[in-house]
Formats: sequence, C-alpha cells, structure tokens
Amino acid sequence: SYELTQPLSVSVALGQTARVTCGGSNIGSKFVHWYQQKPGQAPVLVIYKGVYRPSGIPERFSGSNSENTATLTISRAQVGDEADFYCQVWDSSYVIFGGGTKLTVL
Amino acid sequence: QVQLQESGPGLVKPSETLSLTCTVSGGSVSSGSYYWTWIRQPPGKGLEWIGYIYHTGNTNYNSSLKSRVTISVDTSRNQLSLKLTSVTAADTAMYYCARETGGPFGSGWTYYGMDVWGQGTTVTVPS
Repeated sequence: SYELTQPLSVSVALGQTARVTCGGSNIGSKFVHWYQQKPGQAPVLVIYKGVYRPSGIPERFSGSNSENTATLTISRAQVGDEADFYCQVWDSSYVIFGGGTKLTVL
Repeated sequence: QVQLQESGPGLVKPSETLSLTCTVSGGSVSSGSYYWTWIRQPPGKGLEWIGYIYHTGNTNYNSSLKSRVTISVDTSRNQLSLKLTSVTAADTAMYYCARETGGPFGSGWTYYGMDVWGQGTTVTVPS
C-alpha cells in the first residue's frame, strides 16, 4: 500500500521560512493536499492539488511537488502558525494521510 | 456555506456497534461531485481515513477496517452515517466527517481536498 512519510517535527524561528516535507513514491504524479490542525480543532485545508490555496488562507502558505517529495512552505512564520500539518493524497481510490508534522515557532 | 455536524454516543461498549451521524446543512448530501468522508484520530495520534461515499452511492473503505465499516447516506434527512461493528479500545478516537470535491477532469480524475470538516465527536471504547 502507498505510504507518505513526514518528519515528526519541524522548528522555525519567528519570521523565518518553514518547510514541511511529505515523501512518497512518485508523489510528483499525484495531487497533494495539506491540512493544518491546531490543538482541539478540526483540520483545515491550506493547500490543495499541490499548489493552490483555498480562499482565506494567507499567501504565506505555498506548496510544491516534485518527483518523490511534496513540500509545504510557510513564509514569515508566526506563533499562530504552530500546529500539526498533514499531507494527503489519493492512491487507487483510497485516501492516504501522512503521519503528521508538528511545527514549532521559536 | 456548507456545515457538517457529527453526533452520536460518546461511549460504546466493547464488541458493540459504533453508530455516528453527520448532519449536512447549507447544502445537499445528494448533489454535486462530493466524497462524503469519515476520518478518525486516536488520542495524540494522526489522522486515519475510514472511508467515503461518493454522490453516486459508491463507497470505499480503509482496507484495515473494511470488514467492520459501513457508510451510508440518508437523503431525506440530509445525513451521512457511519457504522463500525465489533469495536475495541483501539477504536477510541475523535471521529470527523468531511467533504471532498472530486470528479472527471479532462481524460482523468481530479480531487480538490477536504474543504469542509465537522468539529468532530469523541468516541470512547473502554478496555
């Protein structure tokens, strides 16, 4: 079965750029979605189809996808960006989530 | 604006059936190219996809749960339901319903991510 691999944690200094990766075999050929989940809240879609931002999501959030790694980039990181981030893809009509990455803003 | 609200018993005894409902407001559960999806999250852990029902009525389930899961739609009540049989403590989790848009795109198929989520409902199965 298809697997997505995310780092358990990523730290970033306040105001700097954070990158959260999602590894998968030939993930560059798939549509990758990213979700942000703050403590006690439901996940929120922040990037869909690899690069698109839903309305209301700040431009500081961007995505890219190439070969075996998809990346969520958060520019000018803020304390309010601290959360768990999950990548998600479809594989043969099944939904696959990555294990999640905890983002800490220092 | 579509909103989702999960409901159901917060405590289910081992070996019994977990039954949850997701009420859809601001839209119809039977219209549009939507995957109506259930996801769960055990305490302190990541998201686990349970399964979905497409607007055509087609369903698909996580292979690890397939023998115990049924997802259905009640169009008269505009609700999505989840049934999970023979529960154990490992089924203790926050359960979410969500909507993802997807459908034909050119010669292929495309998906737009789960853009609407319910707030979730906690289900505990004592050990």
